[in-house]
Amino acid sequence: GALVYQYPRRTICKSGTSMRMECQAVGFQATSVAWYRQSPQKTFELIALSTVNSAIKYEQNFTQEKFPISHPNLSFSSMTVLNAYLEDRGLYLCGAYRDGNTLYFGEGSRLIVV
Amino acid sequence: GQQVQQSPTSLVLQEGENAELQCNFSTSLNSMQWFYQRPGGSLISVFYNPSGTKQSGRLTSTTVIKERRSSLHISSSQITDSGTYLCAMELANTGKLTFGDGTVLTVKP
Repeated sequence: GALVYQYPRRTICKSGTSMRMECQAVGFQATSVAWYRQSPQKTFELIALSTVNSAIKYEQNFTQEKFPISHPNLSFSSMTVLNAYLEDRGLYLCGAYRDGNTLYFGEGSRLIVV
Repeated sequence: GQQVQQSPTSLVLQEGENAELQCNFSTSLNSMQWFYQRPGGSLISVFYNPSGTKQSGRLTSTTVIKERRSSLHISSSQITDSGTYLCAMELANTGKLTFGDGTVLTVKP
């Protein structure tokens, strides 16, 4: 079956430092990976959609300079939150598209900024 | 306004009762999915159901595209069904899911 591993599960970082999270698709080829953030208020925001061999498309309010993403092959993607501050807190979820339809999410990486 | 409206916001059931969760969309959609979010935050895909009815065990999803709505029916609810259920729609060819606010389901013994 489809499985998406995401790690780390939780990071506590000092304000102004960075956090990198990784996403691994197992059992299928993830042609596209979507990175989402769920805020402490529980709302979801799409950060960016990454498709192998295509430019990464960032949503409004999110930039490559702040959230650089790497998607080198069909099984792996990583995203870094640079210079994290309180407003960056939340649960970051990577979702890997299987067959271009169903989105399978990883466990999420919770960012706590102190 | 919000593109994806979910109802009810919360639902408390006795074990064995049925649950009906609704999702309404304000725009035309390409596809939609139902997710279950565990208390720890991880999202589990429950149904990818762009149209029609799908069933998996005690769960049934029905999406009526022209009426811009989808439902998730849970029959004979169990305590382990407790959690947050989210619907999400994808606008045509955007690859972007827009989530509803979720329904928090609590099943009591």
